[in-house]
Amino acid sequence: SAVISQKPSRDICQRGTSLTIQCQVDSQVTMMFWYRQQPGQSLTLIATANQGSEATYESGFVIDKFPISRPNLTFSTLTVSNMSPEDSSIYLCSGRLAGIPQQFFGPGTRLTVL
Amino acid sequence: KQEVTQIPAALSVPEGENLVLNCSFTDSAIYNLQWFRQDPGKGLTSLLLIQSSQREQTSGRLNASLDKSSGRSTLYIAASQPGDSATYLCAVRKETSGSRLTFGEGTQLTVNP
Repeated sequence: SAVISQKPSRDICQRGTSLTIQCQVDSQVTMMFWYRQQPGQSLTLIATANQGSEATYESGFVIDKFPISRPNLTFSTLTVSNMSPEDSSIYLCSGRLAGIPQQFFGPGTRLTVL
Repeated sequence: KQEVTQIPAALSVPEGENLVLNCSFTDSAIYNLQWFRQDPGKGLTSLLLIQSSQREQTSGRLNASLDKSSGRSTLYIAASQPGDSATYLCAVRKETSGSRLTFGEGTQLTVNP
């Protein structure tokens, strides 16, 4: 299995500011993903973080709003830019190891935008 | 587009009861199906994964079944305990979508002592 940590665990931010969330995995994962879970809802995939290249975004999510970096096989960041209250959600990092079908998740970052 | 539905949305049972959570998906061309547990304000814990070629998987008091042709999976919890209280999510990985998971909206389970 893989152990995934995220920082910060939670934050309260002002409208118009940006927050960068860090994701660290204890193993080299082939795939890394960022999901959003809005209050009372299930998880929605934001993007697949690609090592050394631009992330692949899902419909409805754009790089200007959610820039993602993945400099190596164990680390990624997601930035939530120009935040509004609608961005208040839990953001979860996820990864998959080569040859292992399970997908593992971090503990999430709970973001509140005032 | 794959859609995943979980029934019931919420379930409250007395301790010791056996229970079944249901998950259905619209596109049967899946690679695997994974059941997760989410505690309030926390991340996801993987419980069981069933490959498309498998019919069921067991771990302790948990048993997950898969009927790919009918687009259904069930999670059976035996002898439920208060510590089982959490939201249970099922997620499918479609064959042609790489490793993307599509999640259901979850079943919120409360086990009363």
